[in-house]
Amino acid sequence: DAGVIQSPRHEVTEMGQEVTLRCKPISGHNSLFWYRQTMMRGLELLIYFNNNVPIDDSGMPEDRFSAKMPNASFSTLKIQPSEPRDSAVYFCASSTGGIGYTFGSGTRLTVV
Amino acid sequence: EDQVTQSPEALRLQEGESSSLNCSYTVSGLRGLFWYRQDPGKGPEFLFTLYSAGEEKEKERLKATLTKKESFLHITAPKPEDSATYLCAVMPGGTSYGKLTFGQGTILTVHP
Repeated sequence: DAGVIQSPRHEVTEMGQEVTLRCKPISGHNSLFWYRQTMMRGLELLIYFNNNVPIDDSGMPEDRFSAKMPNASFSTLKIQPSEPRDSAVYFCASSTGGIGYTFGSGTRLTVV
Repeated sequence: EDQVTQSPEALRLQEGESSSLNCSYTVSGLRGLFWYRQDPGKGPEFLFTLYSAGEEKEKERLKATLTKKESFLHITAPKPEDSATYLCAVMPGGTSYGKLTFGQGTILTVHP
């Protein structure tokens, strides 16, 4: 199994631009999670899906952030417009049965 | 609100010098406590899940234990390759979809 696949690995964008992060979960996993990691706040849960349905988006910081999961093998996290304070590493993780997550390698986002 | 506090923030050891990392938690019914290892530039890698007080799990030089208020990750005779950030997370009971709350982590450095 290739694990959780995220793209791109690195993204540098200008303030005000739209950014789209992508995630392919492990086949057969029915839960998908988006986390953000910063030095100050550590790992924060943004949103999670179960069977492609958003369950809890209370961690999404603002309306500028949105996430979709159109099918079991793909999810996106979009930031529009992006701001410098959005700079962080964004992780996607998937799981089944609540046994434990498998994380992707992350997308390092820099907004200048 | 679920809370996880890890100590110390950073730990420097000599190769072969055993020690322990602490994870204190408050959670509304514990469904599981998780330990992860994170190397620079990578996503967290799953190590252990503990489900009830008194439970212990081992993997190579690592041993995780659990009480009703805290968990310890014991490292016996560490090697330089054990250097990483170790993350603790809790999953509350009554949650069907595996939501995890993470601590800030302990940065472990093992010198040869």
